[in-house]
Amino acid sequence: QQQVKQSPQSLIVQKGGIPIINCAYENTAFDYFPWYQQFPGKGPALLIAIRPDVSEKKEGRFTISFNKSAKQFSLHIMDSQPGDSATYFCAARWREYGNKLVFGAGTILRVKS
Amino acid sequence: DVKVTQSSRYLVKRTGEKVFLECVQDMDHENMFWYRQDPGLGLRLIYFSYDVKMKEKGDIPEGYSVSREKKERFSLILESASTNQTSMYLCASSGTAPSYNEQFFGPGTRLTVL
Repeated sequence: QQQVKQSPQSLIVQKGGIPIINCAYENTAFDYFPWYQQFPGKGPALLIAIRPDVSEKKEGRFTISFNKSAKQFSLHIMDSQPGDSATYFCAARWREYGNKLVFGAGTILRVKS
Repeated sequence: DVKVTQSSRYLVKRTGEKVFLECVQDMDHENMFWYRQDPGLGLRLIYFSYDVKMKEKGDIPEGYSVSREKKERFSLILESASTNQTSMYLCASSGTAPSYNEQFFGPGTRLTVL
């Protein structure tokens, strides 16, 4: 029940395309949903985050869509660029369990120029 | 800028050795975390700490221990390294509300156990 399921495992898009990464969860105690971006040789860094009382959040070219009833959320990258090539992790915060973050398995994104 | 540093980027150890991974943060954060990252499994929490000398088990604590003697430093200890502990180890820190949501990660230590 504490899992966050992320798909796809890898994704290749052309420059300018809109990659979409999906995550699903079961635990209704999760109360905050961040996305982390990781470049090779670096640690993950917070990209964008959403709370479950909001259905959509945009920051620049990155958008999170959140469907509370379906327990699903997704990351969309508009006008993707080769510099967006990275591994993306969705996560969910379990507030009742010490605010721990539960991470998805990750998606390796490659944007071809 | 928050900086989380890890003592080694790459480490090679032998089976049965005791291994110390060190993590230091410079933002006076209360919370510190150790994860391991494996392909297809994402980041899995090993241990975390909310205060000096305090520790809590994460999802996969077996074979590991931790130490937090000072607020800025959180150490991960492999008492007797085994080959299945070959992995990327990531340390992270976060502050208290309202900034506690974001975890700041170090660059990672890639540990190989032969």
